[in-house]
Amino acid sequence: EADIYQTPRYLVIGTGKKITLECSQTMGHDKMYWYQQDPGMELHLIHYSYGVNSTEKGDLSSESTVSRIRTEHFPLTLESARPSHTSQYLCASSENGGRHVYEQYFGPGTRLTVT
Amino acid sequence: KNQVEQSPQSLIILEGKNCTLQCNYTVSPFSNLRWYKQDTGRGPVSLTIMTFSENTKSNGRYTATLDADTKQSSLHITASQLSDSASYICVVSDRGSTLGRLYFGRGTQLTVWP
Repeated sequence: EADIYQTPRYLVIGTGKKITLECSQTMGHDKMYWYQQDPGMELHLIHYSYGVNSTEKGDLSSESTVSRIRTEHFPLTLESARPSHTSQYLCASSENGGRHVYEQYFGPGTRLTVT
Repeated sequence: KNQVEQSPQSLIILEGKNCTLQCNYTVSPFSNLRWYKQDTGRGPVSLTIMTFSENTKSNGRYTATLDADTKQSSLHITASQLSDSASYICVVSDRGSTLGRLYFGRGTQLTVWP
């Protein structure tokens, strides 16, 4: 089991609330990622980071923001949640090894429901 | 357009039986192909990673094959167990960027019945 953690695991929140999804890893990985996954659909990359103070947007447009102040921590924030944000959010990190053949480890995910 | 297509979309088998899942991709330039297992409500867990030069790799009862010429891969599960019930996701990485972009299939939902 990979040492990557996400909290909360489940969150039901009302429209307009600000939320932060936490992700931490203890493997010392530089690269970290946030994916969004709807039921029966593929994972979509929404944010990634090469290291501290580095954040980039992924392929899927997202109203969320991320920060990377510490290597082990990569939180995702939604300033004003909407029902369209209802989804599963998966955090991942990858090894610092070879350029392309690297293992990517996923956290257990946060199931977000916005009512 | 870089894509990963998996078939079948879902599969039901009896415990102890074998099964094979398929993956076709159009990702280019190709770097490597992975198979992940995702239990319901959990994050994906890696089963195998294969590079261009590898055409088969095993992990216990899981055996993955890769034909880089036809851009096809398969995952064979032997002597299935109830715990094999999960979504199996084919993921292809390109080598066109420093990030090593991952392209995900939608997965095959496998259900193993007793």
